[in-house]
Amino acid sequence: SQTIHQWPATLVQPVGSPLSLECTVEGTSNPNLYWYRQAAGRGLQLLFYSVGIGQISSEVPQNLSASRPQDRQFILSSKKLLLSDSGFYLCAWTRNRGTETQYFGPGTRLLVL
Amino acid sequence: QQPVQSPQAVILREGEDAVINCSSSKALYSVHWYRQKHGEAPVFLMILLKGGEQKGHDKISASFNEKKQQSSLYLTASQLSYSGTYFCGTGGNAGGTSYGKLTFGQGTILTVHP
Repeated sequence: SQTIHQWPATLVQPVGSPLSLECTVEGTSNPNLYWYRQAAGRGLQLLFYSVGIGQISSEVPQNLSASRPQDRQFILSSKKLLLSDSGFYLCAWTRNRGTETQYFGPGTRLLVL
Repeated sequence: QQPVQSPQAVILREGEDAVINCSSSKALYSVHWYRQKHGEAPVFLMILLKGGEQKGHDKISASFNEKKQQSSLYLTASQLSYSGTYFCGTGGNAGGTSYGKLTFGQGTILTVHP
């Protein structure tokens, strides 16, 4: 069976500090991977998606970047965090064929102070 | 284009029924329903692909209208465990150009009281 992991679970960072959030998927190969952000009490905003190693598409221009160094690893980064980067970050995966269900990881709660 | 969910919030007593709608101004290829508990990740409930389709399990079911512009989620004889925020996500096409991306509605908060 497939499993998706995210870490850390919770992070408190000062404004201007760097960020690195990691997501890994087990039990499948060549998945599509997605990063979402959810502000408190709000919906899910797609930030990035990837269909393969080194292939990243950005949905929203912002202070963040993403990378996919390995088939089942997806990383969300920032060089300098802003207050507005606070939120709940969710990684999701789907099989790489047509319309498939997305499965979400447990999420990382980020608070920028 | 973001689908529109209605209502924004619902308050029920145990045993009551609820309907949550998800609408779009254009035909959709697919609709995915998720439930999110506070502080947790969204959990997949079901996917609908065909116009006129209805599916469900236990007391939660969903439909997709013939024009594929609206989907409804039905929760019958609600239980305390049904509380949470429900999201519909609309998908692109099977041709691969959408890369499995989903656009989510703003969510419907469902609260079930004893």
